[in-house]
Amino acid sequence: NAGVTQTPKFRVLKTGQSMTLLCAQDMNHEYMYWYRQDPGMGLRLIHYSVGEGTTAKGEVPDGYNVSRLKKQNFLLGLESAAPSQTSVYFCASSYDPAGETQYFGPGTRLLVL
Amino acid sequence: GESVGLHLPTLSVQEGDNSIINCAYSNSASDYFIWYKQESGKGPQFIIDIRSNMDKRQGQRVTVLLNKTVKHLSLQIAATQPGDSAVYFCAERPRGSTLGRLYFGRGTQLTVWP
Repeated sequence: NAGVTQTPKFRVLKTGQSMTLLCAQDMNHEYMYWYRQDPGMGLRLIHYSVGEGTTAKGEVPDGYNVSRLKKQNFLLGLESAAPSQTSVYFCASSYDPAGETQYFGPGTRLLVL
Repeated sequence: GESVGLHLPTLSVQEGDNSIINCAYSNSASDYFIWYKQESGKGPQFIIDIRSNMDKRQGQRVTVLLNKTVKHLSLQIAATQPGDSAVYFCAERPRGSTLGRLYFGRGTQLTVWP
């Protein structure tokens, strides 16, 4: 039981490039979340999903897209990376619709030059 | 709007002492609170939670206290160990928030000295 995994662990992009971050969970959780973490700030919700095929915007969705084609995977896409998207990205999953007990992945560090 | 903040960004304690990490929240309608621990280079790890109908909840070596009158949350760690060194976040969930949206504080860096 690996819990929540994220790939890649670290990535450097040039402005304008695109990439996809992958989150996978093996706990059969319905609910999945993407957060970003910036220095001096709390985790901020980018997008979330309440089940396979459904996604919704969070607090800071601009510049990101997501997809949940399979229950166990939640993908975060950056179509045209900007330096402001330099951050650490965390994925989380939960069995609870009320968002309690979210299990987090190890994070992906993204640097946009 | 909802916001969760921390009184102290850093806290240093000696091994064996008790630690108290504080958190202030602004939304009096929040009904659920969580503490997370985040070690360097890792994702947040759930420590303990408390609902707004409780004042205190205890776990293994940790206690969370909730004071709704002054909108204050604290995490007490007993007999702090070097392995407790990490950033600790509190988070709140406003009552009725869409699908359990959590709002996180900035975190407090706890350093435990031998």
